[in-house]
Amino acid sequence: GAGVSQSPSNKVTEKGKDVELRCDPISGHTALYWYRQSLGQGLEFLIYFQGNSAPDKSGLPSDRFSAERTGGSVSTLTIQRTQQEDSAVYLCASSWGTSGPSTDTQYFGPGTRLTVL
Amino acid sequence: SQKIEQNSEALNIQEGKTATLTCNYTNYSPAYLQWYRQDPGRGPVFLLLIRENEKEKRKERLKVTFDTTLKQSLFHITASQPADSATYLCALLRSSASKIIFGSGTRLSIRP
Repeated sequence: GAGVSQSPSNKVTEKGKDVELRCDPISGHTALYWYRQSLGQGLEFLIYFQGNSAPDKSGLPSDRFSAERTGGSVSTLTIQRTQQEDSAVYLCASSWGTSGPSTDTQYFGPGTRLTVL
Repeated sequence: SQKIEQNSEALNIQEGKTATLTCNYTNYSPAYLQWYRQDPGRGPVFLLLIRENEKEKRKERLKVTFDTTLKQSLFHITASQPADSATYLCALLRSSASKIIFGSGTRLSIRP
């Protein structure tokens, strides 16, 4: 079946512009995660959605970052007034959400490579 | 602050040998530890999960150990093959937290 998909695959933007990154999780998965991976760095947790519960936003680095998940499916990560340090690969993952983040297997998308000039 | 270190940025070994990757952590008490494989331009793929009360977990040619006293996990690939070449990430989780902490990864190259 289809895996997690993300769009666009690459995004180049100018400093100060807003960008929206999209994630389509695997159908039926109730949990959705966003991560950021900078060059040579590990994945940095950004935000976690589980069903209709309030999202865990504890990883968002600043108030320029926000995310929403409409209808419990598709999610959009928005970065306002982009800065050069926002350049990274943004990865989305989804899981069944049955056993919690600790033991649920997360399925990752291919990521969106964001470059801020 | 919490810190995860993976033994080296890159590891090169001969095909057929056992590859051993190390994950050390400080200022953290994980209940679970996961290992992932990541190929260039792709998202990570889950490989194995080990719980704090488990000493060892195996899956085909893979073996993971978890020593909570040493605060270390070892990831072994036996009879390594060139197709095993990838970056391997370890990740730590607490039982009640959704925030997973990832290491920066070790790039493994298996030469024929």
